[in-house]
Amino acid sequence: GAVVSQHPSWVICKSGTSVKIECRSLDFQATTMFWYRQFPKQSLMLMATSNEGSKATYEQGVEKDKFLINHASLTLSTLTVTSAHPEDSSFYICSARMSSGASYNEQFFGPGTRLTVL
Amino acid sequence: DAKTTQPPSMDCAEGRAANLPCNHSTISGNEYVYWYRQIHSQGPQYIIHGLKNNETNEMASLIITEDRKSSTLILPHATLRDTAVYYCIVRVPYNNNDMRFGAGTRLTVKP
Repeated sequence: GAVVSQHPSWVICKSGTSVKIECRSLDFQATTMFWYRQFPKQSLMLMATSNEGSKATYEQGVEKDKFLINHASLTLSTLTVTSAHPEDSSFYICSARMSSGASYNEQFFGPGTRLTVL
Repeated sequence: DAKTTQPPSMDCAEGRAANLPCNHSTISGNEYVYWYRQIHSQGPQYIIHGLKNNETNEMASLIITEDRKSSTLILPHATLRDTAVYYCIVRVPYNNNDMRFGAGTRLTVKP
């Protein structure tokens, strides 16, 4: 149990276009989801915290107008990279915090999405 | 959440035990020690966690010192597929804080 999926697993886009990444908790509900970004040979850096039905909370230095987050249901959060540029190329990872059950409040991670902006 | 310190890299021979240390000298009484690993180009994978007692599961063992200021993750018989970055994180599990990652230890298992 406690599976988190991401779609797509990889995407290549042209500079200036927007890309949407989905994060789904497949077998549990998640009031809160988190988005991380990871550059090559670096650790995961938290970008934002996504709460169902409310606005996301962004970490310092992360542009909220560039990285749009929507958490419309208890099983789905989306990250849209708007007007993507090559420097946005990175590995984006989401995690979902279980809202109830034996693993209440534990975080489960998705497999990541590799974004390459040409 | 308390800060952790891990060696940046370690090597281990295939079939031998891999012992990965973590220092968390500022850990507070209600913080647990969590271990995750990240294989190249994949999301973090949960390994094990504990509060103060030693823990064991099918993947690894976690040894926490009596003063809880450090811990060791043990992979009893490392395989090539255990090559990954291992992250030690201390946190209170049943609160609303996010999970933040340090630099971790890059473990390379060699044949």
